[in-house]
Amino acid sequence: QVQLQESGPGLVKPSETLSLTCAVSAHSSSSGYYWGWIRQPPGKGLEWIGSIYDSGSTYYNPSLKSRVTISIDKSKNQFSLKVSSVTAADTAVYYCARLRDVHFDYWGQGTLVTVSS
Amino acid sequence: QSALTQPPSASGSPGQSVTISCTGTSSDVGGYNYVSWYQQHPGKAPKLMIYEVSKRPSGVPDRFSGSKSGNTASLTVSGLQAEDEADYYCSAYGGSNSFVFGSGTKVTVL
Repeated sequence: QVQLQESGPGLVKPSETLSLTCAVSAHSSSSGYYWGWIRQPPGKGLEWIGSIYDSGSTYYNPSLKSRVTISIDKSKNQFSLKVSSVTAADTAVYYCARLRDVHFDYWGQGTLVTVSS
Repeated sequence: QSALTQPPSASGSPGQSVTISCTGTSSDVGGYNYVSWYQQHPGKAPKLMIYEVSKRPSGVPDRFSGSKSGNTASLTVSGLQAEDEADYYCSAYGGSNSFVFGSGTKVTVL
């Protein structure tokens, strides 16, 4: 059973950078898969943010590409998300997930990030 | 990359069937057989219910089925049960390693 756990600050000030980490369970290596970040503003739908392969290749939603960076640390079995220049519109529950082929089969529980001064 | 279109709500009585549509374009839903469906209960993470249009992951009841015609995919829940009441989201591969989600449908069991 694959387990993912998001972590990071729950409150970020406008114009600053949002940083989150997703830890992948020790008994499931991060090697050989794609991994992704998806977010959900309160009361709204899901939005794909981007994906990363264990080789480091990254793919981003064009609407967020200029502000998003996803990276991976295989030695720690974790991958990370950074969103720069955040505004209130970036307030959302952020999920990390495993991307198997072209679907997300395992998800973290999600973490709420609020952008507010 | 616009969100896929889903009806905001759908409902049915226990034991009945409900079908949810998911409309995209020839660049996503219509272009690949890579449509997946996710169930989300309030305050919980999404759960994969269907992948590659009509395949069910292990542990998902066969009451859940998926299909696709042209630019529209569908999820059917047969024999509705109380625990099926949730939000449902479709997702499609959009080419070039990109993905798009649907707007979501709230299913109510009457």
